[in-house]
Amino acid sequence: DVKVTQSSRYLVKRTGEKVFLECVQDMDHENMFWYRQDPGLGLRLIYFSYDVKMKEKGDIPEGYSVSREKKERFSLILESASTNQTSMYLCASSPFWRESTDTQYFGPGTRLTVL
Amino acid sequence: KQEVTQIPAALSVPEGENLVLNCSFTDSAIYNLQWFRQDPGKGLTSLLLIQSSQREQTSGRLNASLDKSSGRSTLYIAASQPGDSATYLCAVPLIKAAGNKLTFGGGTRVLVKP
Repeated sequence: DVKVTQSSRYLVKRTGEKVFLECVQDMDHENMFWYRQDPGLGLRLIYFSYDVKMKEKGDIPEGYSVSREKKERFSLILESASTNQTSMYLCASSPFWRESTDTQYFGPGTRLTVL
Repeated sequence: KQEVTQIPAALSVPEGENLVLNCSFTDSAIYNLQWFRQDPGKGLTSLLLIQSSQREQTSGRLNASLDKSSGRSTLYIAASQPGDSATYLCAVPLIKAAGNKLTFGGGTRVLVKP
């Protein structure tokens, strides 16, 4: 079974702190994604990466950066956390695009609260 | 830009009733359509994937249909159970988009009452 793990289930940080959210997948997938999920706004893509050291902005990249130094690990960085970044953060991975049956596999999520 | 809509946003049914969840999308140039389930405070789990050449896909009590020309998909859950209570999301990848990026609907929150 594909496993996507996230470093924390719950995280509480203070405004202005630098925050790292880590995601690890064990299926040798090329693609990895970071989403945030908010009530009424649904799931929104922050960044995705299709290879080591490669990244592409999603729909809402402002205030975030990412790092992918190894294929299995994709980190989301909040350089200076703000209260409007309080949210549920979901990581996902998928094969690059070999088959029209390829789907995304999600981690359990990190509930981040910024005070 | 692809837009995916799910109606209703919430649904409550007594146990044993069949569930019908709707998903519509604006751009019919899709590879497939995917249905996910999300339990409260958890990540998403893939339920069904219908390829663009298929009309429907079944898994146990779940059946999903796809009508590309009208931009619609329906997820049917037969004989609902309290354990089916969750949020159901549909999503589509665009043929033109690289990297298997998905566009998600807002979800339908389902409550099955015992």
